[in-house]
Amino acid sequence: GENVEQHPSTLSVQEGDSAVIKCTYSDSASNYFPWYKQELGKRPQLIIDIRSNVGEKKDQRIAVTLNKTAKHFSLHITETQPEDSAVYFCAALAYSGAGSYQLTFGKGTKLSVIP
Amino acid sequence: ETGVTQTPRHLVMGMTNKKSLKCEQHLGHNAMYWYKQSAKKPLELMFVYSLEERVENNSVPSRFSPECPNSSHLFLHLHTLQPEDSALYLCASSQDALGNEKLFFGSGTQLSVL
Repeated sequence: GENVEQHPSTLSVQEGDSAVIKCTYSDSASNYFPWYKQELGKRPQLIIDIRSNVGEKKDQRIAVTLNKTAKHFSLHITETQPEDSAVYFCAALAYSGAGSYQLTFGKGTKLSVIP
Repeated sequence: ETGVTQTPRHLVMGMTNKKSLKCEQHLGHNAMYWYKQSAKKPLELMFVYSLEERVENNSVPSRFSPECPNSSHLFLHLHTLQPEDSALYLCASSQDALGNEKLFFGSGTQLSVL
C-alpha cells in the first residue's frame, strides 16, 4: 500500500518568513495530493491540492510543488501570519484494490508562527 | 463550514458500555467516511460508504460497527472498546468516493475509553 512520510513534525517561523513542509510517497501510481489544515480544536479543511499532471499550483500565499520522479511534494507558505499556525497534513491518493482508491495521510506538521 | 455535523462532541465510556456516534451531512454528497485521529499518528481511514453501500473497511476491529441508513446519515456503533481506542473520530463526506475530491470534515467526537 501507499506510504506517506511528512517532515518536519514541528516548525516554528517568525511572522513574515516562509514555511516549507515536505512529503514523500511510495506508490508511483499516486495521482492526487491534497493538503489539509487543522487549527487547534477544529476540523481539518482542504487548503490546496495538486494532480499529477501539474508540477506547481499557487493560491495567494500558498503553493504546492510536485516532483513525480522523486515522488515528493511540498507545501510553501509565504509571508506567514499568526493565523497560519495549525497542523498541516499532506496526503496521497492511490489504488487500494477492488476498484477503490484511498487517501493516505502523513503524520502532520505543527506550524507555529511567532508574532 | 457547517455542512457536516457530528454528535456528541465528547464521549467518555467504560469498556463494557455501548454507545453510538452520529454524523449528518447537508451537502448532498454521495460518499461518507469515518476517520480515526490519534495523537502523533496519521489520519486513519476506517470505513467508506458510497450511496449507502460500504466500499472500504480497513481491517477495523469488529467492536466498531458502522451503519449508513441513507446518504445523509452515518453512524459508528461502539461496544466493548479498549483504552487504546481513545481518539478523535472524524466523519467526512465528499461528492463521490473516487478519492480525488475535497473532503468535508465534521468537528469530530473526542472519545475517551476508561
